[in-house]
Amino acid sequence: DSGVTQTPKHLITATGQRVTLRCSPRSGDLSVYWYQQSLDQGLQFLIQYYNGEERAKGNILERFSAQQFPDLHSELNLSSLELGDSALYFCASSVGGGGETQYFGPGTRLLVL
Amino acid sequence: AQSVTQLDSQVPVFEEAPVELRCNYSSSVSVYLFWYVQYPNQGLQLLLKYLSGSTLVKGINGFEAEFNKSQTSFHLRKPSVHISDTAEYFCAVHAGGTSYGKLTFGQGTILTVHP
Repeated sequence: DSGVTQTPKHLITATGQRVTLRCSPRSGDLSVYWYQQSLDQGLQFLIQYYNGEERAKGNILERFSAQQFPDLHSELNLSSLELGDSALYFCASSVGGGGETQYFGPGTRLLVL
Repeated sequence: AQSVTQLDSQVPVFEEAPVELRCNYSSSVSVYLFWYVQYPNQGLQLLLKYLSGSTLVKGINGFEAEFNKSQTSFHLRKPSVHISDTAEYFCAVHAGGTSYGKLTFGQGTILTVHP
């Protein structure tokens, strides 16, 4: 158990819908990262938040947004969902904002029908 | 920008045999390197990491990796594998010295250990 929690574990929804994925980092960690894992794209970095502020952005679609709250938990919002958004979404956390070890949650598996 | 190439998508091996999973990276700056393992239906677990210092890094579960700057490689090795090592392994690179934590992952290598 990494100490990073993600909810829900599974999510099934329809095209055009909006969903919210939630992540709670390890106690004491200030950074939260979101990654997408799909068969065709592999593991892709989406976005990083550090102590409530956006720190780095990767291949995140405009339909996707994220935020980190004062209690340091984070939410990833996916809207206007398409079939291709079906993937495993991982949250990770680390103590600082640089190259420290990232601890990964169990992931949320999203299926868009 | 950084990139990572894992040279083998699948590696089958018999139990108690040695294994090497290959990873090459590309970067214009110094890097930190990581190996993660993903068991079925689970998240990623850190095996080992190279930040600086000794180029031979030892990790959990008997794995080790060697950083080779001239060949831009970070191959993962284990002298004797077990059935329980069956999993997918990911090599990842971070642009060292930066203030952000983005990891760039390779495509993964599925290690299958046969009895």
